[in-house]
Amino acid sequence: DADVTQTPRNRITKTGKRIMLECSQTKGHDRMYWYRQDPGLGLRLIYYSFDVKDINKGEISDGYSVSRQAQAKFSLSLESAIPNQTALYFCATSGRPTMGGELFFGEGSRLTVL
Amino acid sequence: AQKITQTQPGMFVQEKEAVTLDCTYDTSDQSYGLFWYKQPSSGEMIFLIYQGSYDEQNATEGRYSLNFQKARKSANLVISASQLGDSAMYFCAMREAKYTGNQFYFGTGTSLTVIP
Repeated sequence: DADVTQTPRNRITKTGKRIMLECSQTKGHDRMYWYRQDPGLGLRLIYYSFDVKDINKGEISDGYSVSRQAQAKFSLSLESAIPNQTALYFCATSGRPTMGGELFFGEGSRLTVL
Repeated sequence: AQKITQTQPGMFVQEKEAVTLDCTYDTSDQSYGLFWYKQPSSGEMIFLIYQGSYDEQNATEGRYSLNFQKARKSANLVISASQLGDSAMYFCAMREAKYTGNQFYFGTGTSLTVIP
């Protein structure tokens, strides 16, 4: 099983609908992130959380909200989806900077908003 | 200013040849980390290699090496003996440590195509 699991992997929805993307991890990391990937723009940070009581906005948080339900769970919500939120979404975790502290990514959730 | 700049949107390399993917970064921090990730067409992000700002030796992982030139703020990825399976998007990233925790910044990526 993957260390960082995202559900759903693919979702097609309509404008105005509420959608939730879920992420769970078994790495025991405190730090969790949600990124969005668009062609030619790389990965952009939506929200991040360094522990259960800590939530921070990233560079493109408008139109999104998050919930850190437990150390291992971090969900991303689109309250009213719009077509320009069509993208590939990644959840990621990281440990402390010692020994690298690289990001571990989930497999991605491809969202299409019609 | 861009934190991470990858100036090569697309690159081609002959199979078995070496290729260098460019990455420059911008930070005023003394302590930071540099990473390269591979994204094949299936979409997952695969960690390749890490270089710490205080590491004097260039990082190597199998056929991957990171050419770290601190004064020039560059962290180029060198892939030796390219294979067809190396065809993918490659992203350079930097980690800065802020008082709120780690922040990661990504470049826009380089698409590598390995030609048989």
